[in-house]
Amino acid sequence: DAGVTQSPTHLIKTRGQQVTLRCSPKSGHDTVSWYQQALGQGPQFIFQYYEEEERQRGNFPDRFSGHQFPNYSSELNVNALLLGDSALYLCASSFLAEAFFGQGTRLTVV
Amino acid sequence: QQQVKQSPQSLIVQKGGISIINCAYENTAFDYFPWYQQFPGKGPALLIAIRPDVSEKKEGRFTISFNKSAKQFSLHIMDSQPGDSATYFCAAARGSSNTGKLIFGQGTTLQVKP
Repeated sequence: DAGVTQSPTHLIKTRGQQVTLRCSPKSGHDTVSWYQQALGQGPQFIFQYYEEEERQRGNFPDRFSGHQFPNYSSELNVNALLLGDSALYLCASSFLAEAFFGQGTRLTVV
Repeated sequence: QQQVKQSPQSLIVQKGGISIINCAYENTAFDYFPWYQQFPGKGPALLIAIRPDVSEKKEGRFTISFNKSAKQFSLHIMDSQPGDSATYFCAAARGSSNTGKLIFGQGTTLQVKP
């Protein structure tokens, strides 16, 4: 079992650009959540996908959007990037119980 | 009401000592309390979790103590080792089963000195 895998691991984008991050959940997991972790802070919940629909959303602007595919994999899209979007983006998958995190994608906006 | 407050921010412990990290919450609807360990450049890894129907849960050197009336819970790391040096996060979630929406504390950076 490969666990939760995220791609890419690192990414550098210019302010105003758009970015897409990808996540493959742990085998057997049907729910995917995305978190943003700023340096020195705890992860902040962005949104959660279940059965290809956004089920819950945290306090993030509409610039942050996502998608879940029939195989439960997921994408996080961020439009009109700001310098403040620089962070570690974490994907977590779960099935009823514990959430397991991927290694994250380090996004740097310059 | 959605906050989880964690202390201390940093902790230095000698090898073999006990590391204690505390968390407090406000929302009584929370019913799932996990602890995560995170090494630099890695994602958080689930260590141990507890639900409010028990006051203590132990897994190896890691113990969660839970005080429902005080709305507090803590992580105890017995016989701390240099390999335990990492950042620890408490979290809380609501619902009859964990839906994955976790509210995290601010984190505690633990350094275990040899």
